[in-house]
Amino acid sequence: AQKITQTQPGMFVQEKEAVTLDCTYDTSDPSYGLFWYKQPSSGEMIFLIYQGSYDQQNATEGRYSLNFQKARKSANLVISASQLGDSAMYFCAMRRTGAGSYQLTFGKGTKLSVIP
Amino acid sequence: DAGVIQSPRHEVTEMGQEVTLRCKPISGHDYLFWYRQTMMQGLELLVYFNNKAVMDDSGMPKDRFSAKMPNASFSTLKIQPSEPRDSAVYFCASSYLRGNYGYTFGSGTRLTVV
Repeated sequence: AQKITQTQPGMFVQEKEAVTLDCTYDTSDPSYGLFWYKQPSSGEMIFLIYQGSYDQQNATEGRYSLNFQKARKSANLVISASQLGDSAMYFCAMRRTGAGSYQLTFGKGTKLSVIP
Repeated sequence: DAGVIQSPRHEVTEMGQEVTLRCKPISGHDYLFWYRQTMMQGLELLVYFNNKAVMDDSGMPKDRFSAKMPNASFSTLKIQPSEPRDSAVYFCASSYLRGNYGYTFGSGTRLTVV
């Protein structure tokens, strides 16, 4: 079974500062993918970034980067230069990438508030 | 591409009534997922399809929920009879899983059962 843990229910960050959202995971699968989604107050789920378990380098997408530490089973999201529009819920998720179940398992989320 | 389209956006119904949620996945995506989001449980997978076939419905209360995908461009999630505890946001998502792609979610249906 797969499990995602996000230990920060809520976080505050000053505008233009960087912020790290924590995510740890547990799986016995050798091949898996890790995802981050953003859910603004409007409710939609927006895909941000992906990291494969065999990827050698940390994923980056614009202001988002994923700090992947495989041995520690962590996949923290780093948002650089925070903007007011970054205020939202952020979900970490994972799924197998080999044969088998393709469901995404989600963490409980972290609510990020960006302060002007 | 219009993305994953869900309807209705909002639904308010009385306990005991039948509710049908609809989803049109992205063309070419061969996986379709139904998730439910509540404050208490977070995002839970109810059921998912691969090429219209149910692959896993272990998260779906089968006494009142049913999911169908009659063709590659349409899926329904039906609740009969509805109960107040079914109040939640229901998301449909689709994916093309060759390669490492995330899912594309629809805007969700906010269901309130009174």
